[in-house]
Amino acid sequence: AQTVTQSQPEMSVQEAETVTLSCTYDTSENNYYLFWYKQPPSRQMILVIRQEAYKQQNATENRFSVNFQKAAKSFSLKISDSQLGDTAMYFCAFMKKTGANSKLTFGKGITLSVRP
Amino acid sequence: NAGVTQTPKFQVLKTGQSMTLQCAQDMNHEYMSWYRQDPGMGLRLIHYSVGAGITDQGEVPNGYNVSRSTTEDFPLRLLSAAPSQTSVYFCASSFGSKFTDTQYFGPGTRLTVL
Repeated sequence: AQTVTQSQPEMSVQEAETVTLSCTYDTSENNYYLFWYKQPPSRQMILVIRQEAYKQQNATENRFSVNFQKAAKSFSLKISDSQLGDTAMYFCAFMKKTGANSKLTFGKGITLSVRP
Repeated sequence: NAGVTQTPKFQVLKTGQSMTLQCAQDMNHEYMSWYRQDPGMGLRLIHYSVGAGITDQGEVPNGYNVSRSTTEDFPLRLLSAAPSQTSVYFCASSFGSKFTDTQYFGPGTRLTVL
């Protein structure tokens, strides 16, 4: 079974600064996806970024980028130039690529507050 | 496209009552799923469906039923509500039946069972 660990329950960052959110996972799979989801106070889950395990290049989406270390099973999210609208809960998630019914496994989440 | 819609947004039930949480998507997605989110925990999968007429259990299926008569709708039924089912419920869908594509989540339903 896969597990996803987000050990930091809360973080705070000054507006315009950079912050990194940590995530580790445990799996015996070789082909899989990793995701970061954002959940603002509206509660809707919004996909921030996705990484495929076979790709060595780290995924980037505008101000969001990841540091994917496959051997260490680490998948951190870096938010550059933090904005007030980035205040939300962030979830790391894992999904194996093969198999008929792959499912998302989520971490417990981290609450990020961006200070003006 | 409206995306994934859920109704109601809030619901209060008494122990033992039954109800149905509605979920619909207009993106012609094959894969739909239900999650619950509890404080201090990540989302946990309740049930999922890989297409109309096909459903299967997730991590925490007890106390819930689902059906998938159409591609668009995937209702979640609570048979006899219990306080342990107090949670926020999310419905999600994706294009691929193998759950390999981007998941689109609904806005959630906050359920309180007294």
